Amino acid sequence: GAVVSQHPSWVICKSGTSVKIECRSLDFQATTMFWYRQFPKQSLMLMATSNEGSKATYEQGVEKDKFLINHASLTLSTLTVTSAHPEDSSFYICSARIGTGRNTGELFFGEGSRLTVL
Amino acid sequence: QKEVEQDPGPLSVPEGAIVSLNCTYSNSAFQYFMWYRQYSRKGPELLMYTYSSGNKEDGRFTAQVDKSSKYISLFIRDSQPSDSATYLCAMSPSGNTPLVFGKGTRLSVIA
Repeated sequence: GAVVSQHPSWVICKSGTSVKIECRSLDFQATTMFWYRQFPKQSLMLMATSNEGSKATYEQGVEKDKFLINHASLTLSTLTVTSAHPEDSSFYICSARIGTGRNTGELFFGEGSRLTVL
Repeated sequence: QKEVEQDPGPLSVPEGAIVSLNCTYSNSAFQYFMWYRQYSRKGPELLMYTYSSGNKEDGRFTAQVDKSSKYISLFIRDSQPSDSATYLCAMSPSGNTPLVFGKGTRLSVIA
C-alpha cells in the first residue's frame, strides 16, 4: 500500500511550548490529508481536514488557533500544537487519501506521533 | 443511534479459528468501506478496501458489504497470534470525505 510518513514518532515537551508534527505522503500526491487524535483504548477522533493550498477545515470543538495546520504542498501537511498543556498529551495520527485512479478513496495512515506534555 | 456501531470486544479465540468482525451503520449514503488493523501504539494499517457492495478476498482476509442491511464484515481464516490487534471499520459517502470510524474491536488470538 501507499506510504505515509509521520515525524516525530514521539515527543516530550514542557507545558507552554509548541510542537510541530510533519506528515508526508511518500509515493503519491495527496490534495487532502486528515489529522486524528486518539486517546488510550479509544477510537480515532477526526480533528481537521487539511487541504493543499487552502485553509484547513476543523471539526466542532477543535480549536483552530491551538492546532495549526498547514498543507503547503501535495506531499506535506504539518500540525503544530501551540502552547501545549498536559491535557494535549495524546496520540496524533495523520492520514492521506489517494485521490485518483482505481484506488480512489483508500486512506493510509502514518505511524502516529505520541505527544507527552509535562 | 451512532453512525457506525462496532462491538468493542474484547474477543478471544484459539489459534486457527475463523474470526468474524462486524459493523453496522445508519447512513445509506456510505459507499466506501475499509477495515484497518491497529497494533498498540501504532498507526492503523489498511487491510481491506471495498467500494459499494460485494465481497473481497485477500489471503486469509475476506471483507463483505451488505448495503441492503447496512452491515459489513471482516473474516479472518486460520487466525494467528500475530492477528491480535484492534480492528477498526471505517466508511464514507465519497472518495474525498472524511471516514467515519467504528470504535474498534480488540481481538486476541491465543496460541
